[in-house]
Amino acid sequence: GESVGLHLPTLSVQEGDNSIINCAYSNSASDYFIWYKQESGKGPQFIIDIRSNMDKRQGQRVTVLLNKTVKHLSLQIAATQPGDSAVYFCAESPLSGGYNKLIFGAGTRLAVHP
Amino acid sequence: DADVTQTPRNRITKTGKRIMLECSQTKGHDRMYWYRQDPGLGLRLIYYSFDVKDINKGEISDGYSVSRQAQAKFSLSLESAIPNQTALYFCATSDGQKQYFGPGTRLTVT
Repeated sequence: GESVGLHLPTLSVQEGDNSIINCAYSNSASDYFIWYKQESGKGPQFIIDIRSNMDKRQGQRVTVLLNKTVKHLSLQIAATQPGDSAVYFCAESPLSGGYNKLIFGAGTRLAVHP
Repeated sequence: DADVTQTPRNRITKTGKRIMLECSQTKGHDRMYWYRQDPGLGLRLIYYSFDVKDINKGEISDGYSVSRQAQAKFSLSLESAIPNQTALYFCATSDGQKQYFGPGTRLTVT
């Protein structure tokens, strides 16, 4: 079975509720941030990104908030659905230097209950 | 993402064996990456390549090597596999910001 996600923090929510997944990043020089969703047996899938010159960005049912003062990133999912159950990773990237490398957090498991 | 494929999807091998994991992409991206994922950890970068002639070590390159045979192909090799290389391995491509991941290879070294 899928071993990714063992020992991860888990957020349990009821279907239809809003979910908030938090992430603390480490590098104050990071200026690009991404959220990925990883379902069992699959590779990470892009959800939404944000640059450091913004503090909020909205997508379809998802919102990313960035607080550079405390180096905190959050992903809000509105009206959570069973299909949202997955492990969610934040990643940070310093774009200075002209290259693109991502540093991933450990992930949070989202469990959606009917 | 179906545009990034990895072979094999699952592999069991013995300690000391050489093994190659392959990655192909049809997205036309120059940048390609290899990561490993262990339970309870995020993805960690093994190697990355910004074009056919450019190969760079990531944070955990020891015990691994790579080959960029063409823009579309990036292979990861374990010259002499050891049990602590048991993990999920992901290939990714990038257009310069977002990275697009393959489905992963589950490797078990016994």
